Amino acid sequence: DAKTTQPTSMDCAEGRAANLPCNHSTISGNEYVYWYRQIHSQGPQYIIHGLKNNETNEMASLIITEDRKSSTLILPHATLRDTAVYYCIVRVNNYGQNFVFGPGTRLSVLP
Amino acid sequence: GAVVSQHPSWVICKSGTSVKIECRSLDFQATTMFWYRQFPKQSLMLMATSNEGSKATYEQGVEKDKFLINHASLTLSTLTVTSAHPEDSSFYICSARPGGRNTEAFFGQGTRLTVV
Repeated sequence: DAKTTQPTSMDCAEGRAANLPCNHSTISGNEYVYWYRQIHSQGPQYIIHGLKNNETNEMASLIITEDRKSSTLILPHATLRDTAVYYCIVRVNNYGQNFVFGPGTRLSVLP
Repeated sequence: GAVVSQHPSWVICKSGTSVKIECRSLDFQATTMFWYRQFPKQSLMLMATSNEGSKATYEQGVEKDKFLINHASLTLSTLTVTSAHPEDSSFYICSARPGGRNTEAFFGQGTRLTVV
């Protein structure tokens, strides 16, 4: 799986959009970009994933650059409950393959 | 979305005893489940891959005789920490994924193990 690079930490004001970047310059054509988050003392929660098109769901939007070397997770209106560690993971869509977690970005939503 | 449930959520045990953690996929079948361990302020580290009806595959450095994995059905995998020691205290998390194309993995809520 391609390596990802994320900022160690970020702050965001409550109610504002949180934009979390991820670099994956070595991504290959069949690798997807997945985003998970982990709230303190809980298991990771799935947010969104995509291959090359931008994706949106009820939680967030995923913007993938045209060259697929980076992506941005957007939480449109961050709340205090969005404070968590956010993980960007790049992997092929192989059922039997695990998810490899890097250190992620610790997002703090501030009142 | 699909639900993966772990039990117990937390457990305290004495050194030398064994502890069993259950991971269930509640609304889908999973031929493969994954077990992770997470130490404080660290990321999740894969311990082993659990395969229904066959032996688990362990990551390098994980003792298979200490961390026994049983995946006896398509909805249940268990992790038994045998002869637990304080250094085994950690947050254990399982993961499973519904079959089919383009699906995400779901994670249990985790089990906090404290060995005293």
